[in-house]
Amino acid sequence: GAGVSQTPSNKVTEKGKYVELRCDPISGHTALYWYRQSLGQGPEFLIYFQGTGAADDSGLPNDRFFAVRPEGSVSTLKIQRTERGDSAVYLCASSLGSASYNEQFFGPGTRLTVL
Amino acid sequence: AQSVTQPDIHITVSEGASLELRCNYSYGATPYLFWYVQSPGQGLQLLLKYFSGDTLVQGIKGFEAEFKRSQSSFNLRKPSVHWSDAAEYFCAVETSGNQFYFGTGTSLTVIP
Repeated sequence: GAGVSQTPSNKVTEKGKYVELRCDPISGHTALYWYRQSLGQGPEFLIYFQGTGAADDSGLPNDRFFAVRPEGSVSTLKIQRTERGDSAVYLCASSLGSASYNEQFFGPGTRLTVL
Repeated sequence: AQSVTQPDIHITVSEGASLELRCNYSYGATPYLFWYVQSPGQGLQLLLKYFSGDTLVQGIKGFEAEFKRSQSSFNLRKPSVHWSDAAEYFCAVETSGNQFYFGTGTSLTVIP
């Protein structure tokens, strides 16, 4: 079956612009996670959804970052007024539920470059 | 605060040799521990996980890891490395709040 997909695979934008990154989770997975992976670092937790609601958004670095999941499936990570420091690979993962025994399946990521 | 340390940034081993990747964690409670592998252009893939019980856990692709509470470690091992094992390996700890904390990763090179 299809895994987690993310679009676009690459996004180049200019400082100050707005970007949206999309995540299509595995069908039936109720939990969805966003991570950011900077060069030479491990993934850094941003936010996770259980269904349509953000269960924990404590990892979002500031109010320029926002994520939605209106129908409990596809999620969009939105970044306003992008800064060069936002350049990273943004990873999405989904799982059957938020319980720890449910494996998270990761997408290939979106590489964001802010010029 | 929770943290994960992978002290080896890069490791090179010969094909067929044994492998051990180190991971140390800092977490106040009993941790849930994970090892993931990331190949170029691929998403992170779960190798194995530890929740409780037997401290030696088996994973996919012939990997195993041992949880040592006294050393706050969860080292990954494989008795005989294959060229296809070349990748980036991440150790992670999950807190009670379902947040994952990843280490900075260890890059594995396998030479013929």
